[in-house]
Amino acid sequence: AQKITQTQPGMFVQEKEAVTLDCTYDTSDQSYGLFWYKQPSSGEMIFLIYQGSYDEQNATEGRYSLNFQKARKSANLVISASQLGDSAMYFCAMRELRDDKIIFGKGTRLHILP
Amino acid sequence: DTGVSQDPRHKITKRGQNVTFRCDPISEHNRLYWYRQTLGQGPEFLTYFQNEAQLEKSRLLSDRFSAERPKGSFSTLEIQRTEQGDSAMYLCASHFTEGTANYGYTFGSGTRLTVV
Repeated sequence: AQKITQTQPGMFVQEKEAVTLDCTYDTSDQSYGLFWYKQPSSGEMIFLIYQGSYDEQNATEGRYSLNFQKARKSANLVISASQLGDSAMYFCAMRELRDDKIIFGKGTRLHILP
Repeated sequence: DTGVSQDPRHKITKRGQNVTFRCDPISEHNRLYWYRQTLGQGPEFLTYFQNEAQLEKSRLLSDRFSAERPKGSFSTLEIQRTEQGDSAMYLCASHFTEGTANYGYTFGSGTRLTVV
């Protein structure tokens, strides 16, 4: 069974609008961490934001925020005021703290339109 | 240290040849990971090291694949007798443990392998 599900293969968003990228996850662990990475066409994986399972506040990093709904096992990424440079692949990932690696979803390709 | 370095960036090889990739992690990071990413997919875990010890290998890592991290610094990933199905981006990441999961894993730019 997939542990990370990203249901949006692609999205088109007008520049300056906010965008939400969906991510649901599956784990029976109580302790885990959730990550979002950005992968531009150059191929590098760029760390964006992290949410721990015990964090009570939603994580924020500049224009990025993570909408963490633990009961729904949902960890959506919100990008406010999108910019052309936000066009990229976005991956949701999880690390179960009893494990030592992160596992990724299949990604969402985001296109920002001028 | 400016990040995780991978070499080469691109490699084209003929089927049946051996290839070796190198990863230089961030120097203070004690963990090093290898992932493989095929077109349109997320990265898939292959193996990881803590210092020089290889602690876990994925079932994706067939007998033709071998990884080393001899002095706990750089790592190499070798693929013997390459097959067309090995064509992918090979990503290296490093990480420092001791409860710092919130810092994320730092990835290199990857080595793109094309087997012809």
